[in-house]
Amino acid sequence: ETGVTQTPRHLVMGMTNKKSLKCEQHLGHNAMYWYKQSAKKPLELMFVYNFKEQTENNSVPSRFSPECPNSSHLFLHLHTLQPEDSALYLCASSQDPGKHYNEQFFGPGTRLTVL
Amino acid sequence: DAKTTQPTSMDCAEGRAANLPCNHSTISGNEYVYWYRQIHSQGPQYIIHGLKNNETNEMASLIITEDRKSSTLILPHATLRDTAVYYCIVRVWDMRFGAGTRLTVKP
Repeated sequence: ETGVTQTPRHLVMGMTNKKSLKCEQHLGHNAMYWYKQSAKKPLELMFVYNFKEQTENNSVPSRFSPECPNSSHLFLHLHTLQPEDSALYLCASSQDPGKHYNEQFFGPGTRLTVL
Repeated sequence: DAKTTQPTSMDCAEGRAANLPCNHSTISGNEYVYWYRQIHSQGPQYIIHGLKNNETNEMASLIITEDRKSSTLILPHATLRDTAVYYCIVRVWDMRFGAGTRLTVKP
């Protein structure tokens, strides 16, 4: 596998379910990101991890819980979600967010539907 | 981070050059201009970036004005597969996406 992969690609869950989204990058990058893209809205940055440490939480509700066990893997744990949380969840990675030049590589996304 | 302004939508004929403008009048000296595109329901794809000089790669050219307050992304020979939302982003370290320009390439 190359680039940034995300699983599952599609997920349907009830409001009482607990599920997790997985992201893996095979680029040797040090930073990973979660974005949310709701229908007809711009991408919203949710979380940033740099060298496994969370460096940004963009006022995300606690029902979204990120986990970054190492620089190559990023998870988004979901519990008691609301229907308005239905969206495309995108993972990205970059070499070093501290640098001015910091191209991000995106995964294909997970299409989440909350019933 | 500087904010950007892009037209909501544009059309382009297949085979012609697509010129996508972006205004970033509050850009500061250490902020790069990035362009990404997003084809329907896929993850955004990096296209090109620049600081001061014009840049060209296999996908596109980026023209940045001398005062750096605006830039233009040029797709020299647009194809139907270039139909996408194009994002102009000015950043120091984190990436903030706006609404972008929806480019439709027509036969």
